[in-house]
Amino acid sequence: NAGVTQTPKFRVLKTGQSMTLLCAQDMNHEYMYWYRQDPGMGLRLIHYSVGEGTTAKGEVPDGYNVSRLKKQNFLLGLESAAPSQTSVYFCASNLGQGRSYEQYFGPGTRLTVT
Amino acid sequence: GEDVEQSLFLSVREGDSSVINCTYTDSSSTYLYWYKQEPGAGLQLLTYIFSNMDMKQDQRLTVLLNKKDKHLSLRIADTQTGDSAIYFCAESPAYGQNFVFGPGTRLSVLP
Repeated sequence: NAGVTQTPKFRVLKTGQSMTLLCAQDMNHEYMYWYRQDPGMGLRLIHYSVGEGTTAKGEVPDGYNVSRLKKQNFLLGLESAAPSQTSVYFCASNLGQGRSYEQYFGPGTRLTVT
Repeated sequence: GEDVEQSLFLSVREGDSSVINCTYTDSSSTYLYWYKQEPGAGLQLLTYIFSNMDMKQDQRLTVLLNKKDKHLSLRIADTQTGDSAIYFCAESPAYGQNFVFGPGTRLSVLP
């Protein structure tokens, strides 16, 4: 049982490049989330999903797209990276169904856009 | 929109108690949480409290909730150097679609 894993752990992109961050969970969780963490600002929700095939916008969705084709995976895409997207990205998941208190976080992906 | 506020820094001496405070604005919050983040790591759930509770104790951790004032606190008894980390307060409704996190309080434990 690996919990929540994220790939890659680190990445450096040039402005305008694209990339996809992968989040995987093996706990059969319904809900999955992508957050970004910036100094002094806590975690801000980018997008989330309440089940396979569904996605919804969070607080800061601009410049990102997501997909949840399989229940265990939640992908975050940056189509044209900008320096403002330099951040640490965390994925999280929980069972949903009123059990949001059992939320698990991945180890994070540190992205730098130059 | 919903907002969660915390002071950004706290320093305590080893062996003392630490109290980290948080205020939130969403009166419909069902769960309130404390997460711990160590350097270079993800967030680890420390404890949570339902909004119909006033207090929860778990070993060295005591959570107090004042729902009227929308104030949450985390007390760590006998603080150790291993408790040095960033502590995040967060809240969510019952079905957890939307967690709102505070900015985090960096706790430094001095020997």
